[in-house]
Amino acid sequence: DTGVSQDPRHKITKRGQNVTFRCDPISEHNRLYWYRQTLGQGPEFLTYFQNEAQLEKSRLLSNRFSAERPKGSFSTLEIQRTEQGDSAMYLCASSLQGSSTEAFFGQGTRLTVV
Amino acid sequence: ELKVEQNPLFLSMQEGKNYTIYCNYSTTSDRLYWYRQDPGKSLESLFVLLSNGAVKQEGRLMASLDTKARLSTLHITAAVHDLSATYFCAVAYSNYQLIWGAGTKLIIKP
Repeated sequence: DTGVSQDPRHKITKRGQNVTFRCDPISEHNRLYWYRQTLGQGPEFLTYFQNEAQLEKSRLLSNRFSAERPKGSFSTLEIQRTEQGDSAMYLCASSLQGSSTEAFFGQGTRLTVV
Repeated sequence: ELKVEQNPLFLSMQEGKNYTIYCNYSTTSDRLYWYRQDPGKSLESLFVLLSNGAVKQEGRLMASLDTKARLSTLHITAAVHDLSATYFCAVAYSNYQLIWGAGTKLIIKP
């Protein structure tokens, strides 16, 4: 399967715990994006990487959120001290260089904070 | 700040009918995308629209872009049950960031 892969698919955690999600983009894609989607809403941009550099980060992103993309391949998104409001679907997408190219999305990680 | 509005948010229709989903956005942008999402599934790219007057068609779906009116439409012709899904438009806010509409949930009854 050469699509975008995310792990885990589901995560249930207690409030206050830290969680980390992984995204493996399509191998030749140098652009990687993280989005968050809540029920009945469109995806909300979180952050963007070009290769290993994090070039854009949403102003809405709390300092409890951090993302990395070491070596420009897979990426991780960590949420520290989770809150119930963090419950959402976290989507990863990747694309080729070029502003007009579409992004390909993974299946997402559904986070439930209890 | 760019805002994207879709309407309707919910649409139930019979097979064989035609309908249009509208996507309005508030500030100038040079790119607009349409995506489809099935329940519990990922987002699938449908169309990329890059210029005023752009029209793209795939099967029973046709998308168009009017950058002057800041409006895109997704037209469904002779709907079939398999087209039931949630459809999102997304507008480029920067080179990297897309602002998404809330989605239109489309149910097509046999």
